[in-house]
Amino acid sequence: NAGVTQTPKFQVLKTGQSMTLQCAQDMNHEYMSWYRQDPGMGLRLIHYSVGAGITDQGEVPNGYNVSRSTTEDFPLRLLSAAPSQTSVYFCASSYSGTGDPNTGELFFGEGSRLTVL
Amino acid sequence: GQNIDQPTEMTATEGAIVQINCTYQTSGFNGLFWYQQHAGEAPTFLSYNVLDGLEEKGRFSSFLSRSKGYSYLLLKELQMKDSASYLCAVLDSNYQLIWGAGTKLIIKP
Repeated sequence: NAGVTQTPKFQVLKTGQSMTLQCAQDMNHEYMSWYRQDPGMGLRLIHYSVGAGITDQGEVPNGYNVSRSTTEDFPLRLLSAAPSQTSVYFCASSYSGTGDPNTGELFFGEGSRLTVL
Repeated sequence: GQNIDQPTEMTATEGAIVQINCTYQTSGFNGLFWYQQHAGEAPTFLSYNVLDGLEEKGRFSSFLSRSKGYSYLLLKELQMKDSASYLCAVLDSNYQLIWGAGTKLIIKP
């Protein structure tokens, strides 16, 4: 049981380049999400999905696209990288949008550290 | 606006007790979470409170007062491995998580 797997762990891009951060979970979770974490700030939600074929915007969606063709996978695409997108990105999944009703637990991937030059 | 406040950094001694506070102003409330995040790693779940009162899990306890918009995480018998950031997050009326910036806890021997 691998949990939530994110790739790559590290990436350096030049301004204007595009790339995709991969996220896969093997827990059959309906809810998946992407966060970015920046120093001195709380985790900020980029996009989320409550099930295959359904995606929605979070707090900071500009410059990012997502898709959810299967329950397992939820890739995050950076369309044209900008230095402001330098951050650590976390994919997370849970049993439902509110997390497990009993524990409220979000399961996070190990994170992807992105630097845009 | 919605706001979660936590101290930026705290220092405590190995074997001691430390209390990390979290105050919140959010549009609605559907629960409060605490996560632990070691440097360079992913956050991991510690606790979830939706009703007022204290919940204990081993060395860690979490308290909630909804009327005061206040929670704390209590860590007892501190160990060096407890050095980490502790994130407070509130589930608002739309079932969206609002995250605090986290409290970095430094444990000294």
